[in-house]
Amino acid sequence: SQLAEENSWALSVHEGESVTVNCSYKTSITALQWYRQKSGKGPAQLILIRSNEREKRNGRLRATLDTSSQSSSLSITATRCEDTAVYFCAFVNTGNYKYVFGAGTRLKVIA
Amino acid sequence: DPKIIQKPKYLVAVTGSEKILICEQYLGHNAMYWYRQSAKKPLEFMFSYSYQKLMDNQTASSRFQPQSSKKNHLDLQITALKPDDSATYFCASSQDRGADTQYFGPGTRLLVL
Repeated sequence: SQLAEENSWALSVHEGESVTVNCSYKTSITALQWYRQKSGKGPAQLILIRSNEREKRNGRLRATLDTSSQSSSLSITATRCEDTAVYFCAFVNTGNYKYVFGAGTRLKVIA
Repeated sequence: DPKIIQKPKYLVAVTGSEKILICEQYLGHNAMYWYRQSAKKPLEFMFSYSYQKLMDNQTASSRFQPQSSKKNHLDLQITALKPDDSATYFCASSQDRGADTQYFGPGTRLLVL
């Protein structure tokens, strides 16, 4: 099974609603990052949260990290149509510098 | 202006041929990476370079060879192409190797016939 995985393959919400994407991992990590990838583009980092941090915010985005349960969440408030994208979590293994990406959650924001 | 340039954007190749994917970054970063994204798989880490030195190689096949002629260049040579190599290849960079923000290029979409 994958070392990193988001808990939903696809989500859809109406514009203005909030949504949360969850991610779980199966190893000791140095940091976890959330990325967004829009159709035809490369991934763009949203938030980096280090293993000694519990929460990080970036505008309408909030990421949490629970190292005891090896899980993370990304919440988006006041969603907009332009938030439509695939959201990935990726972590860095403790002891090496390789990023492992989850398969992603496809989010559609409906006007 | 794009900070990470990948060329070409699209590439069609025949089985058995050889292609080079180009990547240049203008962010002043010391670490560069290659990733592959296939239709039904997660983004897959391939290589990392730091100060033009290969640091990590997660690619089982020697048909994939990164080449770094300058600190801000990391090309990917693929030989003896196979249809299974069809994917989008992303170059990325970060200030240093480690848990730093990685910035991704727009990708090169490769189709092997």
